Amino acid sequence: QITLKESGLTLVKPTQTLTLTCTFSGFSLSTSGVGVGWIRQPPGKALEWLALIYWDDDERYSPSLNSRLTVTKDTSKNQVVLTMTTMDPVDTATYYCARRGIQGDYFDYWGQGTLVTVSS
Amino acid sequence: DIQMTQSPSSVSASIGDRVTITCRASQSISSYVSWYQQKPGKAPKLLIYAASSLQSGVSSRFSGSGSGTDFTLTISGLQPEDFGNYYCQQSYSRVTFGQGTRLEIK
Repeated sequence: QITLKESGLTLVKPTQTLTLTCTFSGFSLSTSGVGVGWIRQPPGKALEWLALIYWDDDERYSPSLNSRLTVTKDTSKNQVVLTMTTMDPVDTATYYCARRGIQGDYFDYWGQGTLVTVSS
Repeated sequence: DIQMTQSPSSVSASIGDRVTITCRASQSISSYVSWYQQKPGKAPKLLIYAASSLQSGVSSRFSGSGSGTDFTLTISGLQPEDFGNYYCQQSYSRVTFGQGTRLEIK
């Protein structure tokens, strides 16, 4: 059974750094072809892809947010960590982590999401 | 960046209807398109990948087609549980989602 769950602070102040952890089970990030992505969704708005990390340590980022994002993995702990700097109220959103599909960069299993609010 | 433009932005249909949602890419993306369904307060659910491959466990009422720049998600024999928001996604160059289509049941 494959599961993913996001965790981290749900209230951050403007200019602070957001750190979210995705803890997963049922697959390994050391297996060829596996990846974990981050996607966010502001309230009432569309999905927005943020980042993707692959089994071979390759990382891909949204061009519009590239300078603010870092994604890392800890294979032994089955965790992926997303860091986003210089948070702003417009970054208020539900943040999801999801497993990359076996045949490409789509997402076949998703976490429940965590609502992050940026407010002073 | 590759832009994905979905249409319509919302649609209302009756039980049993056939519903079609389209997605147009700003450049050719071969068949690197996926489709998701999202219910309120829930995570998205993968329906279709590689433009036309049905994800395991997903009802055969859902089908996808297209290649290049124009893609279609079709729901045949609409059921009450099919309401929600639908998103397309390209993975030809990084990842981009469409703006979504809201499906309401009449």
